[in-house]
Amino acid sequence: DAGITQSPRHKVTETGTPVTLRCHQTENHRYMYWYRQDPGHGLRLIHYSYGVKDTDKGEVSDGYSVSRSKTEDFLLTLESATSSQTSVYFCAISGLYQGTNTEAFFGQGTRLTVV
Amino acid sequence: GNSVTQMEGPVTLSEEAFLTINCTYTATGYPSLFWYVQYPGEGLQLLLKATKADDKGSNKGFEATYRKETTSFHLEKGSVQVSDSAVYFCALMTNAGKSTFGDGTTLTVKP
Repeated sequence: DAGITQSPRHKVTETGTPVTLRCHQTENHRYMYWYRQDPGHGLRLIHYSYGVKDTDKGEVSDGYSVSRSKTEDFLLTLESATSSQTSVYFCAISGLYQGTNTEAFFGQGTRLTVV
Repeated sequence: GNSVTQMEGPVTLSEEAFLTINCTYTATGYPSLFWYVQYPGEGLQLLLKATKADDKGSNKGFEATYRKETTSFHLEKGSVQVSDSAVYFCALMTNAGKSTFGDGTTLTVKP
């Protein structure tokens, strides 16, 4: 199994509070991603990173920010949580093999509930 | 932008039935194509992949062929088992490392 760990695995927070989710990898992969999964919407990309300090927005980035200060860590922050951000969040990583992107390896997910 | 459209579910089959889940994509360039599977309470895991046109990915009895002319990557299995019950996602990845996923298809296999 790819070495990818998400923390926390579960969190309940109040509307308006900041929340940070952490993704840690031990594979030294270049790319890291944050997705949210909601019924009827599949997986939607929030932000991704293609290197240390190099990040870009995905399709549902409003209300979220990310940081990647080290290859192994990718943090997702909800600046002021809202009920619409209640979701399951997945981190994923992928690398390069002989110039081709590998598949994405996923963490176990973080179930976030905003009350 | 890129997009992936896969067959709407849920799909319910009897054990040993033939499975097809359709997947078509829109993308610039030549993406890699993937099928992922998700079991309850877990993250997605790779089922199979194909990186160029006419490649066939296969794993655990599942197969899919990268068809550039029809922009499709349909998933098939000749004889499904109860243990194949899961959610299946079709996805593409560009050379820039950005993935796009379909909405997922829930498969239930009954004994």
